[in-house]
Amino acid sequence: NAGVTQTPKFQVLKTGQSMTLQCAQDMNHEYMSWYRQDPGMGLRLIHYSVGAGITDQGEVPNGYNVSRSTTEDFPLRLLSAAPSQTSVYFCASSYLAGGRETQYFGPGTRLLVL
Amino acid sequence: ELKVEQNPLFLSMQEGKNYTIYCNYSTTSDRLYWYRQDPGKSLESLFVLLSNGAVKQEGRLMASLDTKARLSTLHITAAVHDLSATYFCAVNSGAGSYQLTFGKGTKLSVIP
Repeated sequence: NAGVTQTPKFQVLKTGQSMTLQCAQDMNHEYMSWYRQDPGMGLRLIHYSVGAGITDQGEVPNGYNVSRSTTEDFPLRLLSAAPSQTSVYFCASSYLAGGRETQYFGPGTRLLVL
Repeated sequence: ELKVEQNPLFLSMQEGKNYTIYCNYSTTSDRLYWYRQDPGKSLESLFVLLSNGAVKQEGRLMASLDTKARLSTLHITAAVHDLSATYFCAVNSGAGSYQLTFGKGTKLSVIP
């Protein structure tokens, strides 16, 4: 298993540009989520999905869109990038079975918006 | 609104010493997580605590949960330099919820 993969690793955008951060997992996990991490902060939930076709907003959803057409992929779209979206973005997947949870984070995407 | 507070935020400790990181949360939850993050790296899941009185141990780290006090602790025994990292706790927002709220993290430095 490759686990959770994210692309790109680094990206520089100009204000107003749009882009998609890719996230994929090969563990057949139903639950996937996107977080952003800013300096000195914990992670904040942007959007999450409990299965294909089902998404919902987290704590900081403004400026981001998601879709979940397959179990494996959960892309995050920045509609019109702003400097406030400069951050490190982490994708995660997990599942609960028999009262035990298994959770994995991707390696992260570092985004700089100029 | 669920709030998660960790303390201390910074911790410098000598090798061989013991210390405890605290994680308080403000509303009822049924899962509490501890993670480790090395500089420039992703998060590594350490423990998931599901019930009151739950205790889990891995090496020099032991995590416990008191749901009545809404408090979890991460105890470090006989610290070694390799434990230097930032430790986060996170709590889900209600029974069965997958939405996690994170604390700000405790940056631990273990010095010889």
